[in-house]
Amino acid sequence: DSGVTQTPKHLITATGQRVTLRCSPRSGDLSVYWYQQSLDQGLQFLIQYYNGEERAKGNILERFSAQQFPDLHSELNLSSLELGDSALYFCASSSRVETGELFFGEGSRLTVL
Amino acid sequence: AQSVSQHNHHVILSEAASLELGCNYSYGGTVNLFWYVQYPGQHLQLLLKYFSGDPLVKGIKGFEAEFIKSKFSFNLRKPSVQWSDTAEYFCAVNARSGNTPLVFGKGTRLSVIA
Repeated sequence: DSGVTQTPKHLITATGQRVTLRCSPRSGDLSVYWYQQSLDQGLQFLIQYYNGEERAKGNILERFSAQQFPDLHSELNLSSLELGDSALYFCASSSRVETGELFFGEGSRLTVL
Repeated sequence: AQSVSQHNHHVILSEAASLELGCNYSYGGTVNLFWYVQYPGQHLQLLLKYFSGDPLVKGIKGFEAEFIKSKFSFNLRKPSVQWSDTAEYFCAVNARSGNTPLVFGKGTRLSVIA
């Protein structure tokens, strides 16, 4: 158990819909990262938050957004969903921002039909 | 920007065989290097990491990796694999300076057969 909690574990929805994925980082970790894992693209970095502020942005689509709340949990919002958004979405947290060692949750598997 | 290449997509080995998984990164500056493992149905776990010092690093479960700066490589090795090593292995890198997220390779799937 990494200490990072993600919900839901599985989600099935239709094209055009909107979903929210939730992540609770390890106790004491201030940084939260979101990654998307798909068969063809591998693990792609989406976005990072540090203590409520956006820190870095990767290949995140404009249809996707995220935030980190005062209690440090984070949510990833995916809207106008397309078939290609089907993937495993991982959240990770880190206390040592300068080294980048990450602790991953078990992921949320999104299936868009 | 950093990038990571893992040469082998899928490796199949018999138990007790030796393992070496290749990883090359592209970045001109100083980096931190990692290997993560993802067992079937589980989350990614840190296997080992290199920040500085001895370029030969030892991780959990008998794994080790060697950082060769001149080759921009960080290959993962294990002298004798077990069936329980069946998993997906990811090499990752981030720049030492500043706050940059980990960049992952596409992963190598290892299947160990009895």
